[in-house]
Amino acid sequence: DIQMTQSPSSLSASIGDRVTITCRASQSITTYLNWYQQKLGQAPKLLIHAASTLQSGVPSSFSGSGSGTDFTLTISSLQPEDFATYYCQQSYSTPYTFGQGTKLEIK
Amino acid sequence: QVQLQESGPGLVKPSQTLSLTCNVSGGSVSSGNYYWSWIRQPAGKGLEWIGRIYSSGSASYNPSLKSRVTISVDTSKNQFSLKVTSVTAADTAVYYCARALLPNPTFDSWGQGTLVTVSS
Repeated sequence: DIQMTQSPSSLSASIGDRVTITCRASQSITTYLNWYQQKLGQAPKLLIHAASTLQSGVPSSFSGSGSGTDFTLTISSLQPEDFATYYCQQSYSTPYTFGQGTKLEIK
Repeated sequence: QVQLQESGPGLVKPSQTLSLTCNVSGGSVSSGNYYWSWIRQPAGKGLEWIGRIYSSGSASYNPSLKSRVTISVDTSKNQFSLKVTSVTAADTAVYYCARALLPNPTFDSWGQGTLVTVSS
């Protein structure tokens, strides 16, 4: 199985801050990397697919980059609704696997 | 806008079989552009992919669960289902059904999730 490791596991930030979350794969997954946002009690929501393609309807404050084994999710200016848990997921091979999550909290 | 809705018992006894169904509306499970998947999340923990099925009935499972899991599709009812046999407390989780857009299997639509508790 491909292991996905996110860092940090939790992060405190303020409204307006720029935030970066990192995801590392245990082997190359080219750009088969997706990012999801999950709020408490809700299903995950797709933010970015294929490492850098913004899903329709997602604010442009979200961006993704990377290829191979190292990827980042950046939020350029935090808004109150952005405080949630973020997961990366590889779709390179089955079993599809997720990172352990990064919980973004208000400072 | 496709919608997915899980249904099934919220409480299952240990050693019994967990059975869930995902009803799809606003889209078709017969579409060749998607896989249909089950994903679960224990309370306070991360996401685990259980398996997927294509409209043809071809299925793929997570090896961690493979011997206990069956996913099937019913195109006439526009739904797909999950069965997990010999459940234990470790199978207690919120179970989500999700649609995966091909060719890069991306989970672009999710059900709201249903909590299944394994307890006697």
